[in-house]
Amino acid sequence: DTGVSQDPRHKITKRGQNVTFRCDPISEHNRLYWYRQTLGQGPEFLTYFQNEAQLEKSRLLSDRFSAERPKGSFSTLEIQRTEQGDSAMYLCASSRSNSGNTIYFGEGSWLTVV
Amino acid sequence: AQRVTQPEKLLSVFKGAPVELKCNYSYSGSPELFWYVQYSRQRLQLLLRHISRESIKGFTADLNKGETSFHLKKPFAQEEDSAMYYCAPLRDNFNKFYFGSGTKLNVKP
Repeated sequence: DTGVSQDPRHKITKRGQNVTFRCDPISEHNRLYWYRQTLGQGPEFLTYFQNEAQLEKSRLLSDRFSAERPKGSFSTLEIQRTEQGDSAMYLCASSRSNSGNTIYFGEGSWLTVV
Repeated sequence: AQRVTQPEKLLSVFKGAPVELKCNYSYSGSPELFWYVQYSRQRLQLLLRHISRESIKGFTADLNKGETSFHLKKPFAQEEDSAMYYCAPLRDNFNKFYFGSGTKLNVKP
């Protein structure tokens, strides 16, 4: 499968701990997105990279959240001092410029904060 | 601010019945809308986009600017259509989307 891959698929952590999620986009996709999805809701945009540059961050992304894409390939999303409200599915997606607005999602990383 | 509303959380129909999943949007400018689908245990994927005016898996969606709607329709539902469906306006030229809260379609045998 050469689609977007995310790791880990599931993470249970204690409140106050730090967690990091990794996303590997489709090869040659220069755009990468992070979304968050809670139960009963659609995905909400968090942040967006074009190559290695983080071009937009949602207000949903508090200062406890940081995302990087150091070489313009894979990306990491770190949550520091997790809170129960951070429990959600974190979705990564990627696309290529001039690809007609088609983005491809990964399977997501489930976070449960206990 | 752009908003999208999917009024039905759950829609149950029998196999062979027509189905319509509603989507209403508020938008400034010229909207470009999409439908995404998530089948059980699969990733979210694009179903169709309004600019293509295409039919995918028997589904169609017409953008009605007067009613600000983009309802998804299929004349004869199949069991394999059971899934979560999300209406998603495109936010900008960088492929960022707003997503509705989704409608779960359940097609009963």
